[in-house]
Amino acid sequence: EIVLTQSPGTLSLSPGERATLSCRASQSVSSSYLAWYQQKPGQAPRLLIYGASSRATGIPDRFSGSGSGTDFTLTISRLEPEDFAVYYCQQYETFGQGTKVEIK
Amino acid sequence: EVQLVESGGGLVQPGRSLRLSCTASGFTFGDYAMSWVRQAPGKGLEWVGFIRSKAYGGTTEYAASVKGRFTISRDDSKSIAYLQMNSLKTEDTAVYYCTRVRYYDSSGYYFHYWGQGTLVTVSS
Repeated sequence: EIVLTQSPGTLSLSPGERATLSCRASQSVSSSYLAWYQQKPGQAPRLLIYGASSRATGIPDRFSGSGSGTDFTLTISRLEPEDFAVYYCQQYETFGQGTKVEIK
Repeated sequence: EVQLVESGGGLVQPGRSLRLSCTASGFTFGDYAMSWVRQAPGKGLEWVGFIRSKAYGGTTEYAASVKGRFTISRDDSKSIAYLQMNSLKTEDTAVYYCTRVRYYDSSGYYFHYWGQGTLVTVSS
């Protein structure tokens, strides 16, 4: 079973800054199979990125995904107030433990 | 608009059973695999299991933590997916989300749409 490890656990940034979130897989996976989700407090997760780099419908272009093999990255180019949330990566039945992006 | 609405959550004693429902609208329910994902209070996301569409046999897969205790089924005529939970344990306490699955190809998949979740609390 693949293990997905996200880092950092918490990212403290200011609005307008760039956020870089990492997801590392315990074994090489098809880059087509990596997805990212955003979850705000009290809400259900929302799909952001699938296939490592394809944005879901309605997702702003400040969100981008990249990577292959075992290392994947979610980048938020300029943080908006509504982007402060927890982000999860996922492949098959496995989720990473999440990265919390909080306001500095 | 795709909508998934979970219901059936609540407080239940350890060892008892509970059935959750996920009522879907806005798409042809029978064409899609459906999955349940849960989240314990203050914790991350945990996949529970899924059911394939009838076109792919309607078969099911489960996480090891619930296998043998939980059963996922579907009624395509009513656009409802079910999660039957038996022999509940305190560690099953979580918000349970219904999701619509989208496949990349024959094996990889992701969770395209999510319901708002329903809370299950297992406690004496």
